Amino acid sequence: NAGVMQNPRHLVRRRGQEARLRCSPMKGHSHVYWYRQLPEEGLKFMVYLQKENIIDESGMPKERFSAEFPKEGPSILRIQQVVRGDSAAYFCASSSWGTSTDTQYFGPGTRLTVL
Amino acid sequence: AQRVTQPEKLLSVFKGAPVELKCNYSYSGSPELFWYVQYSRQRLQLLLRHISRESIKGFTADLNKGETSFHLKKPFAQEEDSAMYYCALSLYSGGYQKVTFGTGTKLQVIP
Repeated sequence: NAGVMQNPRHLVRRRGQEARLRCSPMKGHSHVYWYRQLPEEGLKFMVYLQKENIIDESGMPKERFSAEFPKEGPSILRIQQVVRGDSAAYFCASSSWGTSTDTQYFGPGTRLTVL
Repeated sequence: AQRVTQPEKLLSVFKGAPVELKCNYSYSGSPELFWYVQYSRQRLQLLLRHISRESIKGFTADLNKGETSFHLKKPFAQEEDSAMYYCALSLYSGGYQKVTFGTGTKLQVIP
């Protein structure tokens, strides 16, 4: 089991471009969480997805950000028309049951830099 | 709303000294609390959870509901303990787990 995979590890975009971040959960996990870590800040919850469903997107900015977790393939976090303030580390985590005692397993993160 | 506070951004201790990383939470129900650790250039990983009442790498954490705290302790710090430590509160709401993380404390163990 390779663990949670994220790619790319580093992504550089110019203002106005689109950023696509991918997350493959651990084998057998159907719950995916996305977090953002701004410089000098802690992890902030963005969105929680199960296969083909967005369960909670209360932490997502209202505009430009979207997420999906299709039946086949990785979960995608998409940021349209990126701005400098989007520069951050984006972490994906997965869990097997989604219960309160469940352990979330984290990916290595994608560091997005917006020029 | 639930909240996790880690008051120290940086904690520096000498090797062999005791370590205490503070974590306070606000939540009216019965929380599940975790400590996660992130070593340099590695991914975030679970260190321990209060429900297990275990000791991992010499670290322990006791849930104090009266003080709403879940401080992480180790009697003798080692150099390899240098890392970022995140306290997290997990609750089961609306049919799924939601985790709130603190801002993290960087532990620096001085040789």
